[in-house]
Amino acid sequence: KNEVEQSPQNLTAQEGEFITINCSYSVGISALHWLQQHPGGGIVSLFMLSSGKKKHGRLIATINIQEKHSSLHITASHPRDSAVYICAVHDLSGSARQLTFGSGTQLTVLP
Amino acid sequence: DAMVIQNPRYQVTQFGKPVTLSCSQTLNHNVMYWYQQKSSQAPKLLFHYYDKDFNNEADTPDNFQSRRPNTSFCFLDIRSPGLGDAAMYLCATSDSGGDDEQFFGPGTRLTVL
Repeated sequence: KNEVEQSPQNLTAQEGEFITINCSYSVGISALHWLQQHPGGGIVSLFMLSSGKKKHGRLIATINIQEKHSSLHITASHPRDSAVYICAVHDLSGSARQLTFGSGTQLTVLP
Repeated sequence: DAMVIQNPRYQVTQFGKPVTLSCSQTLNHNVMYWYQQKSSQAPKLLFHYYDKDFNNEADTPDNFQSRRPNTSFCFLDIRSPGLGDAAMYLCATSDSGGDDEQFFGPGTRLTVL
């Protein structure tokens, strides 16, 4: 079973700062997701990637398959970015439909 | 807009009183998932349907059941809720499973008194 670790667990930043959240996993995957969860519970899918880099607005996600590592970057952070960011992977082995989740990174952006 | 809808958003029940949570989707996706998320923890998959095929996770308690009467709807039944079942319950869908993107509903927060 894949072990997914995120760092840091908690992150406080000032508005405008560049933010990086890291995710590492232990065994091969077919895809990795970055998810955002605001207080109140709803989860939004930010990115799904299996190689390289994706960009959407101020968000950038990268993945290095050889190193089993992904990063989520937020440029020009804003208080509305405050949320829990969750990394989740689809294992190559086991049930391809099941996601293995990291424990999340609580991001707080102060005005 | 195509979406995943969960009702109710907040549900309060009493210890041992059966409760049903509802999920519907307008995405016409084949796969529907139910996750349980306790405070400050990652979501935990309870079960999923691929079309009408039910797939239960090995460690999902028997107290939790699910029904999918048609493509659009899926229900989570908790037969005798205990205090430990208080959590956020998330429904998600994907087109064909595998490594498809999963689309999540807003969740139902269950309180057990």
